[in-house]
Amino acid sequence: KNQVEQSPQSLIILEGKNCTLQCNYTVSPFSNLRWYKQDTGRGPVSLTIMTFSENTKSNGRYTATLDADTKQSSLHITASQLSDSASYICVVSAGAGGTSYGKLTFGQGTILTVHP
Amino acid sequence: DGGITQSPKYLFRKEGQNVTLSCEQNLNHDAMYWYRQDPGQGLRLIYYSQIVNDFQKGDIAEGYSVSREKKESFPLTVTSAQKNPTAFYLCASSIAVWKITDTQYFGPGTRLTVL
Repeated sequence: KNQVEQSPQSLIILEGKNCTLQCNYTVSPFSNLRWYKQDTGRGPVSLTIMTFSENTKSNGRYTATLDADTKQSSLHITASQLSDSASYICVVSAGAGGTSYGKLTFGQGTILTVHP
Repeated sequence: DGGITQSPKYLFRKEGQNVTLSCEQNLNHDAMYWYRQDPGQGLRLIYYSQIVNDFQKGDIAEGYSVSREKKESFPLTVTSAQKNPTAFYLCASSIAVWKITDTQYFGPGTRLTVL
């Protein structure tokens, strides 16, 4: 069964500090991995997407890494801001031959709270 | 201003009633999706549509129905057969299901509460 597990479940940090969120997956065959940010009561917004051949992708203060051998990904947030408070969701897609099967497996999310 | 809109933002339903959640997109995307989000759980796929007049069941389709008569619209009906419908419902769209770098764009969501 395809699964995506995220850790920690929740995290509290002070404004300006860095943090790293983890994602382990057992989706096979692997196509791509995405990180989404979801503000409370809103829809998720895509931060990064990585295919099998990519091991790092940055989007401003967000840097995602992917280790396809160990089936792990991390999202590193640099110099956190109050607006970074949200749920961060790891999403993995299965696929092969350069295409995606289109079915996504979602992690349960990590709730990040940034305090002033 | 392109994007996905969902209405209403909040919806209250009495037990035994059917309700329909609206989802509209002006991104010219072929694929549209409905997800359900419950506290502490990942999003779960209810239905998806790759093209007009076609849709497929997702992982938790029981008690739900959809239609795709227009490219821009993908309404979801929560029927009285859905045993536990209270949840946050998210609609999404993407260019094409099969594209390896396809990104799903989400609407703002509808929170459904059964009284």
